[in-house]
Amino acid sequence: ETGVTQTPRHLVMGMTNKKSLKCEQHLGHNAMYWYKQSAKKPLELMFVYSLEERVENNSVPSRFSPECPNSSHLFLHLHTLQPEDSALYLCASSQGSWSSYNEQFFGPGTRLTVL
Amino acid sequence: GQQLNQSPQSMFIQEGEDVSMNCTSSSIFNTWLWYKQDPGEGPVLLIALYKAGELTSNGRLTAQFGITRKDSFLNISASIPSDVGIYFCAGLADGQLTFGSGTQLTVLP
Repeated sequence: ETGVTQTPRHLVMGMTNKKSLKCEQHLGHNAMYWYKQSAKKPLELMFVYSLEERVENNSVPSRFSPECPNSSHLFLHLHTLQPEDSALYLCASSQGSWSSYNEQFFGPGTRLTVL
Repeated sequence: GQQLNQSPQSMFIQEGEDVSMNCTSSSIFNTWLWYKQDPGEGPVLLIALYKAGELTSNGRLTAQFGITRKDSFLNISASIPSDVGIYFCAGLADGQLTFGSGTQLTVLP
């Protein structure tokens, strides 16, 4: 595997389900990001992890819970989601300080549908 | 917060035509980025601009960092079918990366 991979690629879940999204980067980067992409809207930054510590949380509802067990893996745990949470969830990684721009490499995303 | 206005929202063009899209803001940015997102994939960086007035090319793509630091444009010359996708601008200021809402490009044969 190369680059940034995400699983699953598609997920359909009910509002009472609990599921997790997984991201893995094979680039040796030390920062990882979760973004939400809704149709015809700008990408919304959700969480940033730098050296496995969460450094940014952009007022994301607590029904989204990130986890970064090591610098290569990032999870997004989902529970009691709402239909408006349906979107493409993108993971990205970069090398260097997250607070100054370093090129972010994106995964292909997980298309989430909440029924 | 900072906002970027990206236009047009969508474009339908004939193969071989040139394309232009732009992003504007009321805020000043230190870096402008242009990404392309193919269907079913994540965004990929096309061009990065670091200085006001900078004009940078990447193959058939040319982008410019506006002199006021509040805008940027992307041109694609002699479009081909594989240019289809969503193009995003992004501006960086104070450690925050702000994205435009994208331009959906369709290239007709």
